Amino acid sequence: KNQVEQSPQSLIILEGKNCTLQCNYTVSPFSNLRWYKQDTGRGPVSLTIMTFSENTKSNGRYTATLDADTKQSSLHITASQLSDSASYICVVRKAYGGSQGNLIFGKGTKLSVKP
Amino acid sequence: KAGVTQTPRYLIKTRGQQVTLSCSPISGHRSVSWYQQTPGQGLQFLFEYFSETQRNKGNFPGRFSGRQFSNSRSEMNVSTLELGDSALYLCASSLASGGRNWDEQYFGPGTRLTVT
Repeated sequence: KNQVEQSPQSLIILEGKNCTLQCNYTVSPFSNLRWYKQDTGRGPVSLTIMTFSENTKSNGRYTATLDADTKQSSLHITASQLSDSASYICVVRKAYGGSQGNLIFGKGTKLSVKP
Repeated sequence: KAGVTQTPRYLIKTRGQQVTLSCSPISGHRSVSWYQQTPGQGLQFLFEYFSETQRNKGNFPGRFSGRQFSNSRSEMNVSTLELGDSALYLCASSLASGGRNWDEQYFGPGTRLTVT
């Protein structure tokens, strides 16, 4: 069964600290993996996309990693800021077919950054 | 470039009523997808429209329907509302053709539907 599991469900950290969010998937065949950030009351915004051949990709203080062999991805946030408080959603696309129906969504990790 | 817009932003309806939500995609985007988001289930795919045709449909009852117009604007309709339909309904648009990020979706702010 195609699934995307994220951990932890929620996380509280102090401003300035680093954190790592996990995403494990069983989607096959694999096309790509995206991390989205969703602020409260707003729609998700794409942070990064990882394809099969990419191991690491950075977007400012956000660094995503992908291990296609173990089917795991992580999102590392460096020097967290209050504005990082949001839900982070991992989304995996099945290969073959361009429909958005081929996307498998994780349930997200809710991150709270406290001053 | 204007982002994806959704109207209305908030809606309160009574059980048994019907509702229509609207989505205007980014200019040039031909694919519009709809999602239901609840705290317990996360984002769940409702359906996708591409060039006025439904390309794919999620596992939702027939009470949920949609359409896309020639200008790519889309509407979704929920008939005979149930309490469990209370959710954030998100619309997302994408180019759906050509280029590395052909499938990147841009989400609107959502419509918060409350059914009482």
